[in-house]
Amino acid sequence: AQSVSQHNHHVILSEAASLELGCNYSYGGTVNLFWYVQYPGQHLQLLLKYFSGDPLVKGIKGFEAEFIKSKFSFNLRKPSVQWSDTAEYFCAVTSSGSARQLTFGSGTQLTVLP
Amino acid sequence: EAEVAQSPRYKITEKSQAVAFWCDPISGHATLYWYRQILGQGPELLVQFQDESVVDDSQLPKDRFSAERLKGVDSTLKIQPAELGDSAMYLCASSYTGNEQFFGPGTRLTVL
Repeated sequence: AQSVSQHNHHVILSEAASLELGCNYSYGGTVNLFWYVQYPGQHLQLLLKYFSGDPLVKGIKGFEAEFIKSKFSFNLRKPSVQWSDTAEYFCAVTSSGSARQLTFGSGTQLTVLP
Repeated sequence: EAEVAQSPRYKITEKSQAVAFWCDPISGHATLYWYRQILGQGPELLVQFQDESVVDDSQLPKDRFSAERLKGVDSTLKIQPAELGDSAMYLCASSYTGNEQFFGPGTRLTVL
């Protein structure tokens, strides 16, 4: 069974600081990788996704993530965070099988101080 | 922009009572998912439908939970009887291709 680990449960940054949130997955086959964000009081929204091709993926709102197959990692980055980036961030993976069920990490709460 | 609709948004019930949640997926999305998200954790899949058929309900506690999608469109998730440990956010998601899931706002259940 696949699993996802997010090592940071809570990250606190000041505005303009750089962000990197870690995500590691365990699965031996081909995977699709996702980062979702949940802003306070809102539903889960897709930030970015990786299916194949260029391992550096750009998403919405200036976020990007890099798939490193050898490390089973898909870390999320943003060069300069804003107060509005305060949210919970979830890494998720699906296998390439027919069911394509999302397995989520436990999430990282990001607090950006103004 | 099409969205997944869920109701109610909040539900407070006493243990041993029955509760039901409703989900209306984005039009044309054949695949529908129900997830449970306990505070401080990521969502966990409860059941997956393809049209009106259950694809996977291996994580659904079938002694008290049931889910249906009779006409392959909207879906209902029921808990009977509710227990204290069922307090969580219940999320519905839908997908057209299976590659990307779109989530609704969720129903926050509190069992007293």
